[in-house]
Amino acid sequence: DGGITQSPKYLFRKEGQNVTLSCEQNLNHDAMYWYRQDPGQGLRLIYYSQIVNDFQKGDIAEGYSVSREKKESFPLTVTSAQKNPTAFYLCASSIVLQGARGYTFGSGTRLTVV
Amino acid sequence: AQSVTQPDIHITVSEGASLELRCNYSYGATPYLFWYVQSPGQGLQLLLKYFSGDTLVQGIKGFEAEFKRSQSSFNLRKPSVHWSDAAEYFCAVKNAGGTSYGKLTFGQGTILTVHP
Repeated sequence: DGGITQSPKYLFRKEGQNVTLSCEQNLNHDAMYWYRQDPGQGLRLIYYSQIVNDFQKGDIAEGYSVSREKKESFPLTVTSAQKNPTAFYLCASSIVLQGARGYTFGSGTRLTVV
Repeated sequence: AQSVTQPDIHITVSEGASLELRCNYSYGATPYLFWYVQSPGQGLQLLLKYFSGDTLVQGIKGFEAEFKRSQSSFNLRKPSVHWSDAAEYFCAVKNAGGTSYGKLTFGQGTILTVHP
């Protein structure tokens, strides 16, 4: 079955380390997104990509970086510059950016700074 | 800029009772509107969406929502709640134009607790 796979499910990072969260989709979707979820704040957009080798900053991009070298993959790196990285991270995809279609979400990665 | 407000952070209902979750949006044109549900530690699942036509939309799991342009609302309803409906619910709006073109903006979420 087609879907979005996020790995790992749980991730622990030491202060000052960079970590990379994986997101892979086999839905043949062009657009992919990364959201951060904190209790009581809903989901906030970090980065999004409409097409391979192109991506745009979302509302809270500082301290994060992404790449889109393949259509299926959109990894997110949480850098040491991110002051408060402990959160639940969700990856999503859609056929295209525009239009009335919703997003398909992965099951998330919980990142904890130790 | 578009925005979504879910006024209720937490709602508790008894199993079998009716449910209404509120959602208000701020957007200049006709929006695309969505309701998602999230179980603890999981991703989001699409319940239903509105983009045009009939203002009452039906979704999965017996949910429905009504788009009211005059009130800028898109409230989610269910006539009889089941214990398995306990989860967090998110309303979202999608921008059909402008600088935020095509991106989903989410409300803060409403946590639903169901008492037996």
